[in-house]
Amino acid sequence: DTGVSQDPRHKITKRGQNVTFRCDPISEHNRLYWYRQTLGQGPEFLTYFQNEAQLEKSRLLSDRFSAERPKGSFSTLEIQRTEQGDSAMYLCASSSLQPLKGYTFGSGTRLTVV
Amino acid sequence: DAKTTQPNSMESNEEEPVHLPCNHSTISGTDYIHWYRQLPSQGPEYVIHGLTSNVNNRMASLAIAEDRKSSTLILHRATLRDAAVYYCILRGVGGTSYGKLTFGQGTILTVHP
Repeated sequence: DTGVSQDPRHKITKRGQNVTFRCDPISEHNRLYWYRQTLGQGPEFLTYFQNEAQLEKSRLLSDRFSAERPKGSFSTLEIQRTEQGDSAMYLCASSSLQPLKGYTFGSGTRLTVV
Repeated sequence: DAKTTQPNSMESNEEEPVHLPCNHSTISGTDYIHWYRQLPSQGPEYVIHGLTSNVNNRMASLAIAEDRKSSTLILHRATLRDAAVYYCILRGVGGTSYGKLTFGQGTILTVHP
């Protein structure tokens, strides 16, 4: 068990460009979550997958954001036409179906839009 | 989601106990109390959770008030590596809830050598 992996760790992009982040959850975890965290704030929920099905999306997830989890394994989060307000840490977490088990978070991808 | 209230910051000295409080006066009967911590430049890390009874694990202890409207995370001997933001979260598991974690701003714990 190597934990939750996120790639890349850091990404600097110019405003208007598209970016894609990848998350590899713990292999036996069915549930996968994306969160966003800005400086000084707690993580904010973006979206949640159970296996390959995206079951909930936050209002924070504008039309420029899309997430996928093909085959219920790794997940990608794409941001199109990035804006400076998208600069944040993007965190991925996974958990098992057992409701009381804790989430395991990755170390995140820090996005800077210049 | 039921809300939690935590102090913005707390300080401690190394090797002393730390008691991190959390108020959750609107907690429902099916809400579990979860604690996570976030070290600098890392994702949050699960610490402990409980429902009604006090809980202990290798990282910490969780003391839950009898009326469940407050709880306290106890670090028995703080180390410099315990300096982090600590989040108290209510997690519902009843009905169709999948137990989404909703983070507040947490308590920034500073540990002095």
